[in-house]
Amino acid sequence: DIQMTQSPSTLSASVGDRVTITCRASQSISSCLAWYQQKPGKAPTLLIYKASTLESGVPSRFSGSGSGTEFTLTISSLQPDDFATYYCQQYNGYSSVTFGGGTKVEI
Amino acid sequence: EVQLVESGGGLVQPGGSLRLSCAASGFTFSTYWMSWVRQAPGKGLEWVANIKQDGSETYYVDSVKGRFTISRDNAQNSVYLQMNSLRAEDTAVYFCTRGGNYRRCWGQGTLVTVSS
Repeated sequence: DIQMTQSPSTLSASVGDRVTITCRASQSISSCLAWYQQKPGKAPTLLIYKASTLESGVPSRFSGSGSGTEFTLTISSLQPDDFATYYCQQYNGYSSVTFGGGTKVEI
Repeated sequence: EVQLVESGGGLVQPGGSLRLSCAASGFTFSTYWMSWVRQAPGKGLEWVANIKQDGSETYYVDSVKGRFTISRDNAQNSVYLQMNSLRAEDTAVYFCTRGGNYRRCWGQGTLVTVSS
């Protein structure tokens, strides 16, 4: 099974900061990676898929990059609404799907 | 508007069974893979199971193989998760999601608590 290692697990930042979250796959997953945002008590929402494609309606301050085993989610200028937990997820085949452990972005 | 509405969660004793349902609307249900994802209290997301559009393929995370069964009824626009031999570690919010790869649509979740 493919393991996803996400770092850091917690990130302290301020409004206006540039934030980067990293996700590493235990084997190559091409560009089969998605990023989600989750706020307390809510379902996750899709931010990015195919490693770098921005989901419709998601602010352009969010961007994704990478391929193979190394991926990043970048928030160019952190806004108050962005304080949340972020998850990566690989989908290299329908038979096995894995989420990263999550990154909590806090003040 | 796409909607996924889960039901069937609750309190169950270890070793017991529960069947979760997810009613879908706002899209052509029969053309999408569907899946279940769970989240234990205070923990991260864990994929549980996928089912193909016609139900001919199903896949599970190792920890639930042989105990959980995902199924669907395209006439009723619904997907189900039959959970047997439940364990304390199955306690979680269970989300119904659209898609077998990335998940654009999520339900609000239903809480399953396994405890004596």
